Amino acid sequence: EAGVAQSPRYKIIEKRQSVAFWCNPISGHATLYWYQQILGQGPKLLIQFQNNGVVDDSQLPKDRFSAERLKGVDSTLKIQPAKLEDSAVYLCASSRLDSTGELFFGEGSRLTVL
Amino acid sequence: GDSVTQMEGPVTLSEEAFLTINCTYTATGYPSLFWYVQYPGEGLQLLLKATKADDKGSNKGFEATYRKETTSFHLEKGSVQVSDSAVYFCALRNSGNTPLVFGKGTRLSVIA
Repeated sequence: EAGVAQSPRYKIIEKRQSVAFWCNPISGHATLYWYQQILGQGPKLLIQFQNNGVVDDSQLPKDRFSAERLKGVDSTLKIQPAKLEDSAVYLCASSRLDSTGELFFGEGSRLTVL
Repeated sequence: GDSVTQMEGPVTLSEEAFLTINCTYTATGYPSLFWYVQYPGEGLQLLLKATKADDKGSNKGFEATYRKETTSFHLEKGSVQVSDSAVYFCALRNSGNTPLVFGKGTRLSVIA
């Protein structure tokens, strides 16, 4: 089966600009996650969707970050305006609703903010 | 809140050496425990998991045992290979449809 697809793989922007990342989860996976991985740290959850509803967005900086999953399939994460500290890899993951825990990750989108 | 602490890296070993990467956790309830691996240029992938106390997860020669009494899930391999060079992440997932909580990761380099 096809894995989690993410694009773009790399993005370089100036601070205060905007950027959007796209994720297509594994077919049939109801739950989708966006994680932020800063260099040298473990992934940190930004937002979790179940189908097209938000389950947890408590760590999403809502003044600049937004995410949607309108049809319960693919998802977009947007940052506007970007700050230097947003430089990170943005990981998308998905899992089945009845999962025993395994999350399947995409290769990530590396963002550099100059 | 739930958290995972794993040993600082980087860890550098010679081929065929024994590997241990320590991982301890803090969580309410009875979480499931995981080791994920990230090879250079690739995404995170599950290495092994254990869902209850005293369970042993194993895969590709790696093993980890869920120790509730010491809240630990140390990763071990008896003989590492150059191809094991990667970053290893310990993670937990508490009950219900909750997200994974990761440690900071440990970079392993194996030299021939």
